[in-house]
Amino acid sequence: AQKVTQAQTEISVVEKEDVTLDCVYETRDTTYYLFWYKQPPSGELVFLIRRNSFDEQNEISGRYSWNFQKSTSSFNFTITASQVVDSAVYFCALSGPRGGSYIPTFGRGTSLIVHP
Amino acid sequence: DAGVIQSPRHEVTEMGQEVTLRCKPISGHDYLFWYRQTMMRGLELLIYFNNNVPIDDSGMPEDRFSAKMPNASFSTLKIQPSEPRDSAVYFCASSLLAVTFNEQYFGPGTRLTVT
Repeated sequence: AQKVTQAQTEISVVEKEDVTLDCVYETRDTTYYLFWYKQPPSGELVFLIRRNSFDEQNEISGRYSWNFQKSTSSFNFTITASQVVDSAVYFCALSGPRGGSYIPTFGRGTSLIVHP
Repeated sequence: DAGVIQSPRHEVTEMGQEVTLRCKPISGHDYLFWYRQTMMRGLELLIYFNNNVPIDDSGMPEDRFSAKMPNASFSTLKIQPSEPRDSAVYFCASSLLAVTFNEQYFGPGTRLTVT
């Protein structure tokens, strides 16, 4: 069974602060994929990043960075110099083999509020 | 590309009425997913289709819920009869591949309120 835990329900920061969103996952699969999605106030989930289980290299995209550590089953997301536009709910998801396909399991989400 | 299109965006109905939610996936995508999002339960996968065929409907809460995909460009999620506890945001998503990597594209959602 797959499980994704986002222990932080809500995080509140002031603009320009760095913030890290935690994601811990459980799976027995050796091949799996991890994702982060952003859900802004408009409601539509937007894909941010995908990593496969064989690639632990960290990734940076502008102010966003992701730290994947298989040893701790974590895939954390850091926003550097946060901005008000970063305010959203962020979902971590795990996708493992299920009936021949890879179907994601989502965490409960972390609501990030960035104050000006 | 127009992205995943859902209609209606908002639906308010009375308990006992039939509700039909609609989705048009991104052209060429062969997987379609229906999700429900509530504060209590988060984002739940209800059902998904591959090439218009329902693959896994284990997430459908009960027999009042049904989903169809008559062709590659259209899917419906029907609730009959609706109940207040069905109030939620229902998302449709599509993806090109679910065998290796499956970045999903979500629609804007339908906010359903059952009174």
